[in-house]
Amino acid sequence: AQTVTQSQPEMSVQEAETVTLSCTYDTSENNYYLFWYKQPPSRQMILVIRQEAYKQQNATENRFSVNFQKAAKSFSLKISDSQLGDTAMYFCAFMIMGGSEKLVFGKGTKLTVNP
Amino acid sequence: DAGITQSPRHKVTETGTPVTLRCHQTENHRYMYWYRQDPGHGLRLIHYSYGVKDTDKGEVSDGYSVSRSKTEDFLLTLESATSSQTSVYFCAISRDRGSHYYGYTFGSGTRLTVV
Repeated sequence: AQTVTQSQPEMSVQEAETVTLSCTYDTSENNYYLFWYKQPPSRQMILVIRQEAYKQQNATENRFSVNFQKAAKSFSLKISDSQLGDTAMYFCAFMIMGGSEKLVFGKGTKLTVNP
Repeated sequence: DAGITQSPRHKVTETGTPVTLRCHQTENHRYMYWYRQDPGHGLRLIHYSYGVKDTDKGEVSDGYSVSRSKTEDFLLTLESATSSQTSVYFCAISRDRGSHYYGYTFGSGTRLTVV
């Protein structure tokens, strides 16, 4: 079974600084996708960034980027120039290609951006 | 995101009563999912559907049933609600495009309290 581990239950960062959230996963599959989702206090789940495992290049979306290390099964999220609106729960998730498209989620990291 | 709605948004019910949560999509996606979110557990899959009348269990399916009689509607039923089913429930659709996967679009969630 696939598992996703987020080892940091809570983190905090000062506004305008950079923070990195950790995620590791366990799978014997070779073709899969990885995702980071953001859940602000509104409860809405918002896709932040996705990574295809067969692509070596790390995905980036504006201030958000990932460090994907396939051999180490690591998928960390870096948030640059942190903003107050980045305060949220962040979930790492994993999906095997070609199956039932089920997402397996980590337990989440609560990020607080301080002014 | 537009295209998926959940109802109700909040519900309080008594132990032992049946409860049905509704998920409606307007985008004709094949795959639909029900997750529950609990502190310290992240999101866990309850049931999913891969077509009309085609459903399967997730990791926490005990005490829940689902039905999908039309592509656009996916219902989650708690046959006899228990306090352990107090949770936030999310419906989701998989945003696949052929062989490419773009993660899920989530509904806004239902906060269910069983008293």
